[in-house]
Amino acid sequence: SQTIHQWPATLVQPVGSPLSLECTVEGTSNPNLYWYRQAAGRGLQLLFYSVGIGQISSEVPQNLSASRPQDRQFILSSKKLLLSDSGFYLCAWRGQGLGALHFGNGTRLTVT
Amino acid sequence: AQSVTQLDSHVSVSEGTPVLLRCNYSSSYSPSLFWYVQHPNKGLQLLLKYTSAATLVKGINGFEAEFKKSETSFHLTKPSAHMSDAAEYFCVVSAPNRDDKIIFGKGTRLHILP
Repeated sequence: SQTIHQWPATLVQPVGSPLSLECTVEGTSNPNLYWYRQAAGRGLQLLFYSVGIGQISSEVPQNLSASRPQDRQFILSSKKLLLSDSGFYLCAWRGQGLGALHFGNGTRLTVT
Repeated sequence: AQSVTQLDSHVSVSEGTPVLLRCNYSSSYSPSLFWYVQHPNKGLQLLLKYTSAATLVKGINGFEAEFKKSETSFHLTKPSAHMSDAAEYFCVVSAPNRDDKIIFGKGTRLHILP
């Protein structure tokens, strides 16, 4: 069966520090991968998605970036965090076509 | 263009009574529709999905939803609420093969009264 791992679960970082969140998927090949952010009391905002290695589409032009160095690995990064980057970050995958999204357990990021 | 509207930000029901969470959508394509549940500080779990097969879709934990094209609705129901159903619920619409067109509703917080 397919599983998705996302870490760390919680992270507290000072303003201006770098960020790296990692997500890996097991049990499937060539998944579509997604990074979402969920701010307090709001819905989900799509940040990046990827349909293949090295292919990244950005929905939100901010100080965040994403990379997909391997088929089942998706990384969310920032060179310098802002206070507004605080939130709950969710990684997800889905197969081709009409499949449902499958989410990791999320990372709670607090920028201080 | 696609959009999804969850008509209630909060719903409160007593344990053992029916649950109704409302969702309306608009889509230029033949959409796929999903309901997810999120417990505090957890990821989203798929409850059920509609992908142009049967209009009445049964999901996990006793939930079901009916796709009504004429009303552009996909409401989520459960006959009898349980305390463990207290969570946030998201309605989602997706266009075929359009990864940037997966639209989430703003969520409905379900409260279960003892």
